[in-house]
Amino acid sequence: GALVYQYPRRTICKSGTSMRMECQAVGFQATSVAWYRQSPQKTFELIALSTVNSAIKYEQNFTQEKFPISHPNLSFSSMTVLNAYLEDRGLYLCGARDWGYAETLYFGSGTRLTVL
Amino acid sequence: GDQVEQSPSALSLHEGTGSALRCNFTTTMRAVQWFRKNSRGSLINLFYLASGTKENGRLKSAFDSKERYSTLHIRDAQLEDSGTYFCAAEAGTGSNRLTFGKGTKFSLIP
Repeated sequence: GALVYQYPRRTICKSGTSMRMECQAVGFQATSVAWYRQSPQKTFELIALSTVNSAIKYEQNFTQEKFPISHPNLSFSSMTVLNAYLEDRGLYLCGARDWGYAETLYFGSGTRLTVL
Repeated sequence: GDQVEQSPSALSLHEGTGSALRCNFTTTMRAVQWFRKNSRGSLINLFYLASGTKENGRLKSAFDSKERYSTLHIRDAQLEDSGTYFCAAEAGTGSNRLTFGKGTKFSLIP
């Protein structure tokens, strides 16, 4: 079956430091990857959409300078939260889809970021 | 306002009973997905619908793009159904831009 693994599951960083999270697709080709953040208020925000061999599209309020994303192949993506502050805390979810096979978006368990 | 309005925000059922969750959309959506977030934080795929209905075990979902709503029915509720349920709808083609509802926290009444 199609699975998406995210790691680390949770991380704590000091204010002003950076942390990197990774997303691994297993059992399918992640031609398209979306990064979301679930805030403490529980709403889901789309950060950016990434398609292999295409430019990464960031949503309003999110920038490449703050959340650089890498999507180098059909099974892996990573995102870094640079210079993290309190407002960046939350659960970061990676959702991946194989456009040539199915339309279902499969999510990982997320990386929970706490900023001290 | 929110594009996806999910209700109820919380649901408690006695074992063996059933109920329905609903998402109303303020705009035409091309597809909807339903997820359950379990106690470990994993977002479990339940259904993907572009139209019509789908059934899987004790769960059944329907999506009507024209009428702008989707439902998720739970029947014969069991402990393993506990968690928070989310609908997420997709407006445009060719994107992963899902708009999530705010979730329905489901719990079983002992």
